Order: sequence, then structure tokens, then C-alpha cells
Amino acid sequence: AQTVTQSQPEMSVQEAETVTLSCTYDTSESDYYLFWYKQPPSRQMILVIRQEAYKQQNATENRFSVNFQKAAKSFSLKISDSQLGDAAMYFCAYRSAFTSGTYKYIFGTGTRLKVLA
Amino acid sequence: NAGVTQTPKFQVLKTGQSMTLQCAQDMNHNSMYWYRQDPGMGLRLIYYSASEGTTDKGEVPNGYNVSRLNKREFSLRLESAAPSQTSVYFCASSPGQVYSPLHFGNGTRLTVT
Repeated sequence: AQTVTQSQPEMSVQEAETVTLSCTYDTSESDYYLFWYKQPPSRQMILVIRQEAYKQQNATENRFSVNFQKAAKSFSLKISDSQLGDAAMYFCAYRSAFTSGTYKYIFGTGTRLKVLA
Repeated sequence: NAGVTQTPKFQVLKTGQSMTLQCAQDMNHNSMYWYRQDPGMGLRLIYYSASEGTTDKGEVPNGYNVSRLNKREFSLRLESAAPSQTSVYFCASSPGQVYSPLHFGNGTRLTVT
């Protein structure tokens, strides 16, 4: 079974600085997707970025980028120029291969990011 | 553009009471999911449905039942609530395409006393 590990329960970053959130996963599959979701205090789950396992190029969305190391099974999220609105819980998620008519999505335990003014 | 709608937003139950959490999506998605979120545990999959008429157990199905009433609706029932089921419950959906993320509802905070 696949597992997702986020080893940093909490991180802090100064406003305008850069922070990296770690995520590792365990799988024997070769075809999968990885996602980062943001959960602000409103409880809403917001997609931040996605990465396909077959793509070697790291995904980027504005100030958010990933460092995807397939062999190491590592998928870290880098937030540049941190803003107060980035303060949230961040979840790493693994989407498995298509089986039984659908995909399953497995989440890590989350990292709470605090942004200091 | 409603997306995934969950009701209620908050609920307090006494031990032994039953209730149904409702979820509906208007995006014509095939797959729907129920997760629970607990501090330090992340999101754990309770049940999922690949399509109308099919349901499967996830990681933590005990104490829950589900119904995929039609393509739009996927409900989660607690037959006899227990304090261990105090949690935030999320419904999510996905079209089932290879690049698709999950689309989430806004969650239900359930407290069982």
C-alpha cells in the first residue's frame, strides 16, 4: 500500500522569504500523480500544484514550485516570496494508478505553515 | 458554479444517535469520496465510489455506511455515533481523468458527545 509522509508538523517563515515543505512517499507503482493542497483556516481545500511522475521537469505555479525526485520518492514544495496569505495547513497527496474503475488519493498528515510579519 | 456541496456544515450528536451527511456535485464527475480529517492524522479515506451504483471501502470504513444515490449524490451515514467519530468530514469528487485532482466540499465538523 502506498504511504505519504510529511515529517514537519509545523514550519515558520518570515514574510518575503522562501520556505520548503517536505514530502516523501512509498510506492511500487510507476504511473502516478502527486499534489499539494493548501487548507487555510476557512477549512477549504485548495489545489496548489500537481506533478506527473513521468514528467522530469518540476512543476511551477507562480510563487509555488516543486522539487520532484522520483528515485528518492521525494516531492517537496517551495514557496518563494512568502506572503501572510500563505499561512495554512499544507497537505501532500499521492494519486494511485487507475484500478477498480477509479483513482485513490492518499494524503500525508500535513504541515502547518506560519508566516511571520 | 457550486462545485461540491456538503450539508450540514456543523453537527453535534449524542453517542448512539444516527445521522447522514449529504454531498452533491454538479460537475458531472464519476468518482466521489468521503474523507475524515483528524489532528495529526491528515485526511483518511472512509469510502469511495467509482461510479453510480458502486461503492468501496477505504482505509477507515468501520462505523460508516455510504450510498451513491445517483451520479450527483454520495451520502455518508453514521448508524450509531461514537465519540471516536468526532472529526471533520470532507466529500470530494473527481472526473476520473488521468490528470485530475480532487475537488473538495467545505467540510462538516461533527462532534459526538
